[in-house]
Amino acid sequence: RKEVEQDPGPFNVPEGATVAFNCTYSNSASQSFFWYRQDCRKEPKLLMSVYSSGNEDGRFTAQLNRASQYISLLIRDSKLSDSATYLCVAILTGGGNKLTFGTGTQLKVEL
Amino acid sequence: DTAVSQTPKYLVTQMGNDKSIKCEQNLGHDTMYWYKQDSKKFLKIMFSYNNKELIINETVPNRFSPKSPDKAHLNLHINSLELGDSAVYFCASSQDPAWYEQYFGPGTRLTVT
Repeated sequence: RKEVEQDPGPFNVPEGATVAFNCTYSNSASQSFFWYRQDCRKEPKLLMSVYSSGNEDGRFTAQLNRASQYISLLIRDSKLSDSATYLCVAILTGGGNKLTFGTGTQLKVEL
Repeated sequence: DTAVSQTPKYLVTQMGNDKSIKCEQNLGHDTMYWYKQDSKKFLKIMFSYNNKELIINETVPNRFSPKSPDKAHLNLHINSLELGDSAVYFCASSQDPAWYEQYFGPGTRLTVT
């Protein structure tokens, strides 16, 4: 079982739709969580942090449920430019931050 | 100015060869990383260096040897290349080992034939 699991998709949604991605992590010692975005054939880039209290950044909302070891990302009013792969990341600290990436969820926003 | 750069961008080589990938960051960061992204797009950490010192060494064949001549550079040398080494290799850097945001280079697409 992978340490961070995501539905690979693809999620094909029309422009303007609301879409939600989920992610589960197996290591309860994981301390911090993030969403990274990776465009096709490009490098991953940090999208946003994930907190138990929720984190909103414009059209993006991220949420963490430590009890269920579950992370979510909600994108409202999808744009064509949101098409990418979204990577869920858990961090184990101590001796250097070890980022554990999920396999990613692919989003395609269509006209 | 490119923050994290890697060379070469593409590398095609035959099994059994030895090759190196270079990485440089101009962000003034203390910590650098190598990741491997396989054909299934799974991104996995291989190594991390902080100020030229190895701090993370995942289960990687010893054919892979990282070298950090200074904190702005982290190179990856691979001996006796195998078909399974074909992947995209990403270099990344962060402010320090405890900082969560990592900046990735553009990747080196390695194809072993």
